Amino acid sequence: NAGVTQTPKFQVLKTGQSMTLQCAQDMNHNSMYWYRQDPGMGLRLIYYSASEGTTDKGEVPNGYNVSRLNKREFSLRLESAAPSQTSVYFCASREGQGNQPQHFGDGTRLSIL
Amino acid sequence: QKEVEQNSGPLSVPEGAIASLNCTYSDRVSQSFFWYRQYSGKSPELIMSIYSNGDKEDGRFTAQLNKASQYVSLLIRDSQPSDSATYLCAVRGGGNMLTFGGGTRLMVKP
Repeated sequence: NAGVTQTPKFQVLKTGQSMTLQCAQDMNHNSMYWYRQDPGMGLRLIYYSASEGTTDKGEVPNGYNVSRLNKREFSLRLESAAPSQTSVYFCASREGQGNQPQHFGDGTRLSIL
Repeated sequence: QKEVEQNSGPLSVPEGAIASLNCTYSDRVSQSFFWYRQYSGKSPELIMSIYSNGDKEDGRFTAQLNKASQYVSLLIRDSQPSDSATYLCAVRGGGNMLTFGGGTRLMVKP
């Protein structure tokens, strides 16, 4: 049972480079989320997708774009990476109805030099 | 302004003691409350959820919710060194989003 799978697990970029973080879930969940977590801080929502075909901004969307490719996949793109985007990125999914919790992937550790 | 507040800790308790973790939230329409455990370098793992006022017990864990006072707590009985982690409180309002607190780091000393 894979759950939520994120790729890659680690990445180092140079300032100005672009990159797409991939996320896929096999739980048939409707909602998917992208968070970033910085040292000593909780999780901050970047973007989310309540259902296939919809995306919405979260708390910290600047510098990011997302694509809900299909029900399983939700990607996060950095068009021009900046050192301030160095962080650990987590993808999560949720059934989308009622009080169901979110389930997290293992994270992508991204460093921007 | 952060909407979910937790003491960052570290909270240090001896092995076998009760660890008490607290969380306050500002959104009165919040409906669902979750506690996640996060080991260093790992992803958050759901350990408890609570939706109604009162206590909910699951093994050594008890979640307590008081909507009138807008706080939710997590008690860990018979704390073990393996419980040492950061505990994240998360609150869901009327929509699809969770708001996370900054987490409390728990250290259980043998």
